[in-house]
Amino acid sequence: GNSVTQMEGPVTLSEEAFLTINCTYTATGYPSLFWYVQYPGEGLQLLLKATKADDKGSNKGFEATYRKETTSFHLEKGSVQVSDSAVYFCALSAYGGATNKLIFGTGTLLAVQP
Amino acid sequence: KAGVTQTPRYLIKTRGQQVTLSCSPISGHRSVSWYQQTPGQGLQFLFEYFSETQRNKGNFPGRFSGRQFSNSRSEMNVSTLELGDSALYLCASSSVAGSTDTQYFGPGTRLTVL
Repeated sequence: GNSVTQMEGPVTLSEEAFLTINCTYTATGYPSLFWYVQYPGEGLQLLLKATKADDKGSNKGFEATYRKETTSFHLEKGSVQVSDSAVYFCALSAYGGATNKLIFGTGTLLAVQP
Repeated sequence: KAGVTQTPRYLIKTRGQQVTLSCSPISGHRSVSWYQQTPGQGLQFLFEYFSETQRNKGNFPGRFSGRQFSNSRSEMNVSTLELGDSALYLCASSSVAGSTDTQYFGPGTRLTVL
């Protein structure tokens, strides 16, 4: 079945450090891939998405590239800020069919220290 | 545009009771999905509605049910509450029914079962 695997957290970085959060997936066909962010006490916010191989999603300095050959969608940011501290979820939406059910990874807690 | 709204935000119930949660999607969105978030199981898909029809259902017992109204608002119901039903319940809406479509999440309803 379809699944998403994320790196275990927490990830603790100093401000202005480089961030990578690994995400790999298992799915048939060509799923759409998403990164969502959850701040304390809030719901999920879409950070970025990619819907086909080699697409790069980007937003607020975050980037992720849909790699079909390695079934990966790693999240990166060149210089993190304290305000980026949150839980990050990688997710996929299965290919085809009239459904947009999301399958999530376990989430990665990011803590950025000043 | 107003975002996805969920009511109530917090709820405390006792075992054996039932509960109804409400979700109002973004104006014009016709698809509503529900997810359960717990520390142990993470984010799990409950069900999805489109134009008042349930299109997809997750692996939850029959105590969990939902419906969607003609104005796209949705409710979910949990009967005979168990301690393990304590969770954050998230609702998400999207404009159409497709795997590439972005889902927008509400702030969630925090249910505590005593």
